[in-house]
Parts: sequence; structure tokens; C-alpha cells
Amino acid sequence: DAGITQSPRHKVTETGTPVTLRCHQTENHRYMYWYRQDPGHGLRLIHYSYGVKDTDKGEVSDGYSVSRSKTEDFLLTLESATSSQTSVYFCAISTRGETEAFFGQGTRLTVV
Amino acid sequence: QKEVEQNSGPLSVPEGAIASLNCTYSDRVSQSFFWYRQYSGKSPELIMSIYSNGDKEDGRFTAQLNKASQYVSLLIRDSQPSDSATYLCAPSKGGGNKLTFGTGTQLKVEL
Repeated sequence: DAGITQSPRHKVTETGTPVTLRCHQTENHRYMYWYRQDPGHGLRLIHYSYGVKDTDKGEVSDGYSVSRSKTEDFLLTLESATSSQTSVYFCAISTRGETEAFFGQGTRLTVV
Repeated sequence: QKEVEQNSGPLSVPEGAIASLNCTYSDRVSQSFFWYRQYSGKSPELIMSIYSNGDKEDGRFTAQLNKASQYVSLLIRDSQPSDSATYLCAPSKGGGNKLTFGTGTQLKVEL
């Protein structure tokens, strides 16, 4: 258990509303990531963080923003949710010298 | 061309047989390679990592890497029904371990 907690685990929201997903880690790792997983596309990187207030875009960052004000928390915000953002979202952290990545339980988000 | 290519399967093998899962990648700067197992409705679970050419064994799992051919594989010996899952190949370009995932190969181990 890499000590990663995602919240909420499930959420249904309406188109146009903002949504924030939280990833919390207990082990003080520097690197954190947000991925989304969709059928036919696999896991795709949305945003990642190298440390507090140090974030960067991934492959599919449009419509998403992130914040990391504390080492243990990495927040993903959908600024105005759209149906195309219906997905399963996974948070991950890198451990063991920042090489191996471990995933949280995932958040299933449905935008209606 | 996708950055990471995997046969989607399903790959069906009988219990006790060797399952062979293959992956090719396009970016030659990839340095580290990971195999994840994902059960339906669950999160990916790291099962193997390999960093240099050759074979790496861990229990019933063997990862093989050939950087010249841009090819990485996973062998599962003595396959069990509990190995039935989707296996994801993920090269990393280093520098913060940003992973690029294939779409995965579904493995079914039949009794």
C-alpha cells in the first residue's frame, strides 16, 4: 500500500459545473501525477507535479488545472465539466528514487 | 503510429501454460519500462520493472527488454486463473517518471 487516497471515489456532476478531485499521500513523495483512463485510449497523463507549487502539463491537459500547495495533496480541477471528461481518474506517486509509480484507487466521474 | 503498441487480445491460455505478452514502443529515449496488471474495475498494480537489456525474473514473471528493437515482453509461467487481467506496458522517459501507457492486453487463463 503506497499510502494514496483519492476522493471522492464516485461523482456525478452536471455539464458546466466545476469539479475538484483530491489525491492525498502519506509518505512525502515528491512526484505526483493525474491520469485518466478511457476505453480504447488507455491511461493518459493529464498533469504532474515535481513538488509544492511545481506542476506541468501532460498529454491531455486542456480543460483541467491542478494545484499542489502541500506535499501530500495534489488537486485536479475540471474548470467547467463536459461530457467528454466522463472518465476514470487515477492519481499516482513515484517512489523508490522516483522511478516506480503507484496508483490510487481511482475516481469514477460521470458528467451528465 | 502509437507510442506504445500492445495487442489488445484477449489472449487465452490454459492453466499452467506460459503466457507471453508483447509491447513495442516508438520513443528511443525511453529508459525504464514497467508492466502493470489491472483487474476489471481496479487500479493498475505494478508487477515488474526493467531498466537494462536482457531478462529480469521475479517469481513466475519474467520481463525481457531489447532496446535496439524497441521491444519489451512479459512472460508469466504456470499461469493461474487469478492472472486473468489486463496487462499494461509503460515506458518511462525518465526525469520524473512520466509514463506512456499502451492500451493493454487482456489475458484470460482458462481452467
